[in-house]
Amino acid sequence: SQELEQSPQSLIVQEGKNLTINCTSSKTLYGLYWYKQKYGEGLIFLMMLQKGGEEKSHEKITAKLDEKKQQSSLHITASQPSHAGIYLCGAPFTGNQFYFGTGTSLTVIP
Amino acid sequence: DTGVSQNPRHKITKRGQNVTFRCDPISEHNRLYWYRQTLGQGPEFLTYFQNEAQLEKSRLLSDRFSAERPKGSFSTLEIQRTEQGDSAMYLCASRPQLATSETQYFGPGTRLLVL
Repeated sequence: SQELEQSPQSLIVQEGKNLTINCTSSKTLYGLYWYKQKYGEGLIFLMMLQKGGEEKSHEKITAKLDEKKQQSSLHITASQPSHAGIYLCGAPFTGNQFYFGTGTSLTVIP
Repeated sequence: DTGVSQNPRHKITKRGQNVTFRCDPISEHNRLYWYRQTLGQGPEFLTYFQNEAQLEKSRLLSDRFSAERPKGSFSTLEIQRTEQGDSAMYLCASRPQLATSETQYFGPGTRLLVL
């Protein structure tokens, strides 16, 4: 989607390393969702951010929505092989349509 | 299992054939979405149902595509006269009515290969 750009497109890290994935919107965000997808499978909801400056954590994954509400970051601390997959940000913009970023493919090397 | 289910999980068809996919949402969810995902891309919105009413359709949904949700429960997505460009993962998601902030819950997808 052109509305949501993710970076980097792919990431290869050594187990135990920290990493950050960014999601930048061309429009003001009124809600930003992070999902994880294992190759060839459906999406698993990670967390949702609504308010500018909001930060949420689940296990070793932390997501933030910046004050101006046009960018979000997903940070993984001490990465593990189980973190491998495709990370997608998504947001509602027009009506009931929901847009996704292009995804970030994460590989964690043991 | 109380999650979203999709059938079949995989479909191989020859160009020109018609295919139909089924999605069974979580039972109390009245909102249902279809997406298409091609390799290396995020899912693209196709259509949205609230109960049995199809309220939104993407321009991606050509006239060869039709979706129904006849009783407001399960939904079907049919592709007529399939083309090789239709090869993709087709994802279904459902969502409850009450909270606008509630996430969508995704099914495992149906992977279509058109030969």
